[in-house]
Amino acid sequence: AQSVTQLDSQVPVFEEAPVELRCNYSSSVSVYLFWYVQYPNQGLQLLLKYLSGSTLVESINGFEAEFNKSQTSFHLRKPSVHISDTAEYFCAVRSSDSSYKLIFGSGTRLLVRP
Amino acid sequence: KAGVTQTPRYLIKTRGQQVTLSCSPISGHRSVSWYQQTPGQGLQFLFEYFSETQRNKGNFPGRFSGRQFSNSRSEMNVSTLELGDSALYLCASSRTQGYDTEAFFGQGTRLTVV
Repeated sequence: AQSVTQLDSQVPVFEEAPVELRCNYSSSVSVYLFWYVQYPNQGLQLLLKYLSGSTLVESINGFEAEFNKSQTSFHLRKPSVHISDTAEYFCAVRSSDSSYKLIFGSGTRLLVRP
Repeated sequence: KAGVTQTPRYLIKTRGQQVTLSCSPISGHRSVSWYQQTPGQGLQFLFEYFSETQRNKGNFPGRFSGRQFSNSRSEMNVSTLELGDSALYLCASSRTQGYDTEAFFGQGTRLTVV
């Protein structure tokens, strides 16, 4: 069955430092990958997505993620974080293995300190 | 353009009661999915509806049910509530049903069972 692994449950980092949130998936077929962000008491907001084409995808607020098929990874990065980036981040995958279901990782809480 | 609307935002119910949650998708979207989010289990897929038909179902007991109306609005029902049903229930809408389609989430309904 399709699965998504986010190894880090919490990542503390100082403001303006770089950060990487890791995501690995298990699938031998074509996948579509997503990163969602959740602020306290809110729903999920799509941060960025990989559907096809360039393996490097970017969001409007400075995040980027790279699809690596050989390593089955889709890590999220930001070169310089802000206090406002403090939130929970979820990696998700959709593939023919999972029908149309979005399969989510367990989430990574990014805690940005001043 | 209005986003996904879930009502109510908060709900407190007693064990054994039943509850109905509502989701209004983005205008023009025909697919609605439901997810349960808990600290212990994370985000788990409940079911998906497309054009009033249930297309996918997660691994939840029969106490959890749903339906979709002709205007794409969806409801989910939980009967004989248990303490473990306390969770944030999230609804997501998509324009179509497909692997590469983007899912937009509502703010969720926080259900507390006492």
